[in-house]
Amino acid sequence: RKEVEQDPGPFNVPEGATVAFNCTYSNSASQSFFWYRQDCRKEPKLLMSVYSSGNEDGRFTAQLNRASQYISLLIRDSKLSDSATYLCVVWGTTDSWGKFQFGAGTQVVVTP
Amino acid sequence: ETGVTQTPRHLVMGMTNKKSLKCEQHLGHNAMYWYKQSAKKPLELMFVYNFKEQTENNSVPSRFSPECPNSSHLFLHLHTLQPEDSALYLCASSPGTGNTGELFFGEGSRLTVL
Repeated sequence: RKEVEQDPGPFNVPEGATVAFNCTYSNSASQSFFWYRQDCRKEPKLLMSVYSSGNEDGRFTAQLNRASQYISLLIRDSKLSDSATYLCVVWGTTDSWGKFQFGAGTQVVVTP
Repeated sequence: ETGVTQTPRHLVMGMTNKKSLKCEQHLGHNAMYWYKQSAKKPLELMFVYNFKEQTENNSVPSRFSPECPNSSHLFLHLHTLQPEDSALYLCASSPGTGNTGELFFGEGSRLTVL
């Protein structure tokens, strides 16, 4: 089983619509959770951290469900510029070492 | 100036060549990382350095040799690579190797091995 699993997509979203997708993680000792955004042929950049109580940053809302071990990202009022791959990143400890684990990414394509 | 800079941005090399990738961070971080990103796969951690000491070598073949002369600079020396090593190599830094927050990535070095 992969440490962090994501639906690869692509999610084709009309401009102005809402899109949501999840990420599941296997390590119950995971402590920190992030969504990164990666544009084509560019480096990943932090979109937002995910907090236990859920958090919102403009049109983006992230949720954490520790019991079911998943996090989610919802994008409202999608813009063409939201087209990207969204990486789920989890920090947790295994064998006494802490490390970041990455999902393979969910591709979002916003269409006019 | 960006926080983490990588050079070269693109590199094409033959299997018998020796080349190096360079990474420099201007964020005052103590930890630096090399990741490999292949198409449609999660980022693979290769090496971690904390206070210029290697803390993790993720079973990387010896044809990849890291060097960390100080907390701000990280190199990846490449020697007798294989075509399957073609990928995007990303350098990243963070305040420490613990649960200290986000990773900051460089723009990556796209490597093609012929």
